[in-house]
Amino acid sequence: SQQGEEDPQALSIQEGENATMNCSYKTSINNLQWYRQNSGRGLVHLILIRSNEREKHSGRLRVTLDTSKKSSSLLITASRAADTASYFCATNSGNTPLVFGKGTRLSVIA
Amino acid sequence: DVKVTQSSRYLVKRTGEKVFLECVQDMDHENMFWYRQDPGLGLRLIYFSYDVKMKEKGDIPEGYSVSREKKERFSLILESASTNQTSMYLCASRPQGGSGNTIYFGEGSWLTVV
Repeated sequence: SQQGEEDPQALSIQEGENATMNCSYKTSINNLQWYRQNSGRGLVHLILIRSNEREKHSGRLRVTLDTSKKSSSLLITASRAADTASYFCATNSGNTPLVFGKGTRLSVIA
Repeated sequence: DVKVTQSSRYLVKRTGEKVFLECVQDMDHENMFWYRQDPGLGLRLIYFSYDVKMKEKGDIPEGYSVSREKKERFSLILESASTNQTSMYLCASRPQGGSGNTIYFGEGSWLTVV
């Protein structure tokens, strides 16, 4: 049961540019989380936004949530080569396991 | 810091072998999960456990079983490995309460079945 779907599948930008990734989901949620995965490694939690929140910031990350459209976006400002990774959104409702999307592969070119 | 440790980073096994993937977490988390990750398919949930000796099937449990004899340890078992089980396996844990709690991942176990 794939819940979140990220868009685009892959994104390539120059260092210093902003990167925007989108996530759409299908059913009602309690919260939405974004995770990052460096190549060949485990996933690391970035940020969580609750269903009653519309926007959240953490450092260079900005996440928005539109529950009416069942969508979220992750913005990374002033990207760096070290931001190169795959980014996943994940959702759940109640105490269910997180369901992950297929991810966006971000390449930041120095 | 929470640490989720997967005992084997890279394994090569033969078709038909029984394979054990071990996962240990050090933060007394109640919930533990096994996912597999394949190119183009993202992460798919195999099994999860919300407490010792409890287990629940995820989306793709066929060909797998699990064991949770102790709170900190969650083992994934491939009873008879097949080539279509070649994949990266990710273990994760989180505290009780679920929603709103961060899930912590291990570094992954790359399994090749030949």
